[in-house]
Amino acid sequence: EAGVAQSPRYKIIEKRQSVAFWCNPISGHATLYWYQQILGQGPKLLIQFQNNGVVDDSQLPKDRFSAERLKGVDSTLKIQPAKLEDSAVYLCASSLAPTGVDEQYFGPGTRLTVT
Amino acid sequence: AQSVTQPDIHITVSEGASLELRCNYSYGATPYLFWYVQSPGQGLQLLLKYFSGDTLVQGIKGFEAEFKRSQSSFNLRKPSVHWSDAAEYFCAVTGSARQLTFGSGTQLTVLP
Repeated sequence: EAGVAQSPRYKIIEKRQSVAFWCNPISGHATLYWYQQILGQGPKLLIQFQNNGVVDDSQLPKDRFSAERLKGVDSTLKIQPAKLEDSAVYLCASSLAPTGVDEQYFGPGTRLTVT
Repeated sequence: AQSVTQPDIHITVSEGASLELRCNYSYGATPYLFWYVQSPGQGLQLLLKYFSGDTLVQGIKGFEAEFKRSQSSFNLRKPSVHWSDAAEYFCAVTGSARQLTFGSGTQLTVLP
């Protein structure tokens, strides 16, 4: 079965510009996650969707970050405007069941560099 | 709040030697524990998980981990390391909050 797809794989932008990342989860997976992984750190959850509803967005910087999951399938994460500290790898993951104990399958990530 | 500590930022072992990566967690109740591996340019892959029952769990690629409640630890082990095991390893915990919290990772280098 196909894994979690993400695009683009790499993105370089200047500060104050906007950027969008796309994720296509594994078919049939109800839950979708976006993580931010800063160099030298473990992934940090930004937002969790169950189908097309938000379950947890407590760590999403809502003044500049937004995410949506239309029709409960694909998802887009946007940053507007970007700051230097947003440089990181953005990982998308999906799981079959809406519980934290179910295995999460991760995509390859999008590496964002903000200059 | 739940948290994970991986005390070793970088570990170097020779191919064929044994490996132990340390993980300590903080969580008020029974945790669910995971080990993930991340190769360069790749997403995270689940090595093994502990939910309940036998405290010694077996995973993929010959890895195992032991849950020790008294020490709040979930250390990852492998009896004989292969060059292809070079990667970054992350321990993670979740509980009733259903949110995965990751440690900061341990980078493994394997010498020929």
